[in-house]
Amino acid sequence: GAGVSQSPSNKVTEKGKDVELRCDPISGHTALYWYRQSLGQGLEFLIYFQGNSAPDKSGLPSDRFSAERTGGSVSTLTIQRTQQEDSAVYLCASSLVGGLYEQYFGPGTRLTVT
Amino acid sequence: AQSVTQLDSHVSVSEGTPVLLRCNYSSSYSPSLFWYVQHPNKGLQLLLKYTSAATLVKGINGFEAEFKKSETSFHLTKPSAHMSDAAEYFCVVSSNNFNKFYFGSGTKLNVKP
Repeated sequence: GAGVSQSPSNKVTEKGKDVELRCDPISGHTALYWYRQSLGQGLEFLIYFQGNSAPDKSGLPSDRFSAERTGGSVSTLTIQRTQQEDSAVYLCASSLVGGLYEQYFGPGTRLTVT
Repeated sequence: AQSVTQLDSHVSVSEGTPVLLRCNYSSSYSPSLFWYVQHPNKGLQLLLKYTSAATLVKGINGFEAEFKKSETSFHLTKPSAHMSDAAEYFCVVSSNNFNKFYFGSGTKLNVKP
């Protein structure tokens, strides 16, 4: 079946511009996570959605970052006024229920801020 | 606070020899721990997880890991490396409410013929 998909796969933007990254989770998965992977680093947790509950936003690095999940399915991560330090691979994962269930990762969006 | 330290950024072994990838964790409660693998140009995949049951956990592709509370370790092992094991491996600890997952910085495993 279809896995987690993310778009675009690559995004190059100028410093100061806004960007939107999209994640389509596996159908039926209620939990969705966003992570950031900078060069040579592990994954950094950004935000967690579980069903209709309020998301856990505690990992967002600044108020320039926000995320939405519409209808319990597709999610968008928005970065406003991008900075060069935002350059990274942004990964989305979904799991059946959350908690200790396996997370299935998408291929990521590589963001480059020039 | 929770954190994970992967002691080696790169490990190189010969095919057919044992693999040991080291992971130490810090947690203020009894943690749940995971190993994920990332093959080149592929997404992350769960290898195995520890959730307070048996301390020796078996995963896919012949990998296993042992939870040692006294040493705060969760090292990943495999008796005999295959060329296909070459990838990057991440040790992960969860928050106590399982909302957040803290990844180590990764260990790149190279397997020599």
